[in-house]
Amino acid sequence: DAGITQSPRHKVTETGTPVTLRCHQTENHRYMYWYRQDPGHGLRLIHYSYGVKDTDKGEVSDGYSVSRSKTEDFLLTLESATSSQTSVYFCATGQGYTEAFFGQGTRLTVV
Amino acid sequence: QKEVEQNSGPLSVPEGAIASLNCTYSDRGSQSFFWYRQYSGKSPELIMFIYSNGDKEDGRFTAQLNKASQYVSLLIRDSQPSDSATYLCAASPNNDMRFGAGTRLTVKP
Repeated sequence: DAGITQSPRHKVTETGTPVTLRCHQTENHRYMYWYRQDPGHGLRLIHYSYGVKDTDKGEVSDGYSVSRSKTEDFLLTLESATSSQTSVYFCATGQGYTEAFFGQGTRLTVV
Repeated sequence: QKEVEQNSGPLSVPEGAIASLNCTYSDRGSQSFFWYRQYSGKSPELIMFIYSNGDKEDGRFTAQLNKASQYVSLLIRDSQPSDSATYLCAASPNNDMRFGAGTRLTVKP
């Protein structure tokens, strides 16, 4: 299995507070992705990165920002959390055009 | 319209039957296609990927790709109760990976 670690695994936060989720990989994969998963919607791409400091928006990027200062780390930040951002967040890594490997997921609840 | 659409479920088949899962995609630039399986509360795990038109077989699983029709399918032969899960279709148009909403499969003993 690819070495992908997400932290935290669970978080409860209040509306309006900033939240940062971390994805760490040991596979030296070039591409890293952040998805959210909600019932009835499957996995929706938030942002992805194709190299250090190279990122692009996905389908549902509003309210989210990302940063990648090192190959192994990809951070997802909710600047001001809202209840609509309550979800399960998955990080994935890959080499582009090939399969992606997923982390364990982070369950975020915004109250 | 979502870039990747899957046939609505849930799908229920008896043990030993063939389960057929379908997917269409809208971006003709997509080059790679993937099927993932996700058990409840777990992360998606890759079952198969396919790049070329035609069939690709791996054990009990067969992926089929028709780029002209923008159609991808997954057949599961001799379905087992352990195959009960949500199956996610994905396409990779621009080095990102877009998923369908998933089809929940139940295999009844």
